[in-house]
Amino acid sequence: DQQVKQNSPSLSVQEGRISILNCDYTNSMFDYFLWYKKYPAEGPTFLISISSIKDKNEDGRFTVFLNKSAKHLSLHIVPSQPGDSAVYFCAASGTSGGKLIFGQGTELSVKP
Amino acid sequence: DAGVIQSPRHEVTEMGQEVTLRCKPISGHDYLFWYRQTMMRGLELLIYFNNNVPIDDSGMPEDRFSAKMPNASFSTLKIQPSEPRDSAVYFCASSKKNIQYFGAGTRLSVL
Repeated sequence: DQQVKQNSPSLSVQEGRISILNCDYTNSMFDYFLWYKKYPAEGPTFLISISSIKDKNEDGRFTVFLNKSAKHLSLHIVPSQPGDSAVYFCAASGTSGGKLIFGQGTELSVKP
Repeated sequence: DAGVIQSPRHEVTEMGQEVTLRCKPISGHDYLFWYRQTMMRGLELLIYFNNNVPIDDSGMPEDRFSAKMPNASFSTLKIQPSEPRDSAVYFCASSKKNIQYFGAGTRLSVL
């Protein structure tokens, strides 16, 4: 049973517009959520995170929103840039420092 | 810090051979994780260590896979004997708190 789901395998956005990547989870014990970005032939790199006590966290062009009642989080990138083209993974954790449960990833393509 | 270092970056071997993947975590991190990425299964956790002790190896696919962490700065993932279906990218990651930092991965091809 997949506890973290990213239902959109791919997303295409025009440069300068907003990119919205979505993630759903099933386990209410998750208390920390992360987004990673992955370029081809590289390992995933940490992008932004949010604790379950918050509903929003912002870092420059990147904002993560958490809706605990809906068990849903989203990553907003605005404005989108061609260099943002990558695979984005959401991940969830229920224990500090413990394992992360990853979604399947969404491939974002930002067109110039 | 140089980040998580994995070696080799690429490994091509023949079915039945032993394969050893290596990982040096970030200094000071007390958690180490081994993942495998495939098209079919995405990014799956194989095993993780805390303070060099294996905590959860439920993701290890079968007895052909083994992992060790003899000290805080080194871990290995061994496949013996290797099979074509083991072909994948294997990632090592380390963490101190919630954020895991990944190495560049080892792309394994078993012919």
